Amino acid sequence: AQTVTQSQPEMSVQEAETVTLSCTYDTSENNYYLFWYKQPPSRQMILVIRQEAYKQQNATENRFSVNFQKAAKSFSLKISDSQLGDTAMYFCAFGVYNQGGKLIFGQGTELSVKP
Amino acid sequence: GAGVSQSPSNKVTEKGKDVELRCDPISGHTALYWYRQSLGQGLEFLIYFQGNSAPDKSGLPSDRFSAERTGGSVSTLTIQRTQQEDSAVYLCASSATTLSPGGYTFGSGTRLTVV
Repeated sequence: AQTVTQSQPEMSVQEAETVTLSCTYDTSENNYYLFWYKQPPSRQMILVIRQEAYKQQNATENRFSVNFQKAAKSFSLKISDSQLGDTAMYFCAFGVYNQGGKLIFGQGTELSVKP
Repeated sequence: GAGVSQSPSNKVTEKGKDVELRCDPISGHTALYWYRQSLGQGLEFLIYFQGNSAPDKSGLPSDRFSAERTGGSVSTLTIQRTQQEDSAVYLCASSATTLSPGGYTFGSGTRLTVV
């Protein structure tokens, strides 16, 4: 069975500092995707960043970057220069290519950015 | 429309009643997904539709849950004889393709409370 684990239920960071959210996953598949989604209080899930497993280069999107360690099945999210608007729940998710597009989500990490 | 629209935004129902939740996907998106998010939990896959293919119902938790998608567009998730454990946020997402998981646009969800 495929699983996604986020071991940090809550985290906090000071504005302008850097924070790293952890995610590990388990799968026997070889061709898959990993994602980080943000869920603010509005409830709408917003895609933060996406990583294809076949790519060795870590994905980067402005202040957001990942550290993808395929052998260790680890996929952490680094947020640089944290902003108050980054306060939200963050979910790590996993999906297998060409299996209908459904995702398996972790339990989430609640991030608070403090002024 | 510009985004995925879900209605109602909030629904309170009595235990034992039936409820219908509606999802209007982005026009032209062929894939539509339903997820359930229980309090403090990650998202749990329920069902997805892709074009005219038979839906993948593998995530539906019991036979009290059903969903349909009419004309390849609007979808309705029906929960019969609601139980308190059905209380959750039900999120819908649509995608232009199922080949690359996670290229979703989510709606803002329906918060269902069973009293």
